[in-house]
Amino acid sequence: QSALTQPASVSGSPGQSITISCTGTSSDVGGYNYVSWYQQHPGKAPKLMIYDVSNRPSGVSNRFSGSKSGNTASLTISGLQAEDEADYYCSSYTSSSTLEVFGGGTKLTVL
Amino acid sequence: QVQLQESGPGLVKPSQTLSLTCTVSGGSISSGSYYWSWIRQPAGKGLEWIGRIYTSGSTNYNPSLKSRVTISVDTSKNQFSLKLSSVTAADTAVYYCARGDVDTATTGNWGQGTLVTVSS
Repeated sequence: QSALTQPASVSGSPGQSITISCTGTSSDVGGYNYVSWYQQHPGKAPKLMIYDVSNRPSGVSNRFSGSKSGNTASLTISGLQAEDEADYYCSSYTSSSTLEVFGGGTKLTVL
Repeated sequence: QVQLQESGPGLVKPSQTLSLTCTVSGGSISSGSYYWSWIRQPAGKGLEWIGRIYTSGSTNYNPSLKSRVTISVDTSKNQFSLKLSSVTAADTAVYYCARGDVDTATTGNWGQGTLVTVSS
């Protein structure tokens, strides 16, 4: 069982927007602005898409955005494209001895 | 741009020790405000943080694995390593090495991953 809770799957049509949630506790998501989002295509390593809740690394499309409210962080992808189909993982710093926790992952299907 | 590459045996027998090395290129492992991590992913499952080592040499481990894990660094070779003892089939996974930024608490650079299978 993952420390952070994500929906198992989401889907959307090209051009639409989708949002993936990531729910934790006050010891991780809610307590710190250290939430990251990763995109992972089959057989590939995770790629950082969002860090510190809402910051995009250089080279990541501005169609990807992040936010947080209370113990829940969210990743929004606007203008869905076929290449966005992948698994998405959230992660957060945690004050527990684990230090870094991940969500269980969300499979995004572009219809 | 820093690059990381995992290496080590792809097959380990039960009860033995899994040993992997991560070679860092494009930057010095001993400079900057970074930490160096190991993360694993069983087939079809999510990511699990194993532990990290800082440039100071201090380490942090996942409590669920702490009794079996050792992460070390060899600055002369620009490498860091993972040892996981007493492995079982449950330790079969793709193992990733990665670099994290202390200031943003973000794991931004990942190796391509290496599959380790525990089987007799």
